Amino acid sequence: ETGVTQTPRHLVMGMTNKKSLKCEQHLGHNAMYWYKQSAKKPLELMFVYSLEERVENNSVPSRFSPECPNSSHLFLHLHTLQPEDSALYLCASSQMDMYEQYFGPGTRLTVT
Amino acid sequence: EDQVTQSPEALRLQEGESSSLNCSYTVSGLRGLFWYRQDPGKGPEFLFTLYSAGEEKEKERLKATLTKKESFLHITAPKPEDSATYLCAVHPGDTGRRALTFGSGTRLQVQP
Repeated sequence: ETGVTQTPRHLVMGMTNKKSLKCEQHLGHNAMYWYKQSAKKPLELMFVYSLEERVENNSVPSRFSPECPNSSHLFLHLHTLQPEDSALYLCASSQMDMYEQYFGPGTRLTVT
Repeated sequence: EDQVTQSPEALRLQEGESSSLNCSYTVSGLRGLFWYRQDPGKGPEFLFTLYSAGEEKEKERLKATLTKKESFLHITAPKPEDSATYLCAVHPGDTGRRALTFGSGTRLQVQP
């Protein structure tokens, strides 16, 4: 595997379900990010982890819960989502002192 | 507040018809300006980083330039495979934030 991978690529869940998105980076980076991309809107930053510590939380509802067990893996735990949470969820990584972020392919989430 | 505005929102070109995409930004202490390409349903693909006014970067048919207020992505003799959404993002150097602020993108369609 190379670059940034995300699983699953597609997810359909009901409003009462609990699911998790997984991201893995193979670039040796030490910062990881979750973004939300909705139709016709700019990418919205959700969370930033640097050296496995959450350093930014962009006023995200508590039904989204991130976890970063090590510098290569990032999870987004989802529970009791709303239909408006349907979007493309993108993971990215970067080196702390270089700001180019490299993105994964995304998880297309549909909440029914 | 950091702002990134991209224009036009959509652009349709004939194959071989050169043009430019614009990214205007307002940011305190620019650390870097980034261009990405995004194909439908996929994550953004990193293209260029520009750090200071006057800097230029090239890759195949693409050339990015930077002034103190805006950046241009020039596309020379485009081909249909250049069709994608092009995203511009800035990293604000003065706020301590690690996140990029993205524009809404320019949707480019190159017709054969």
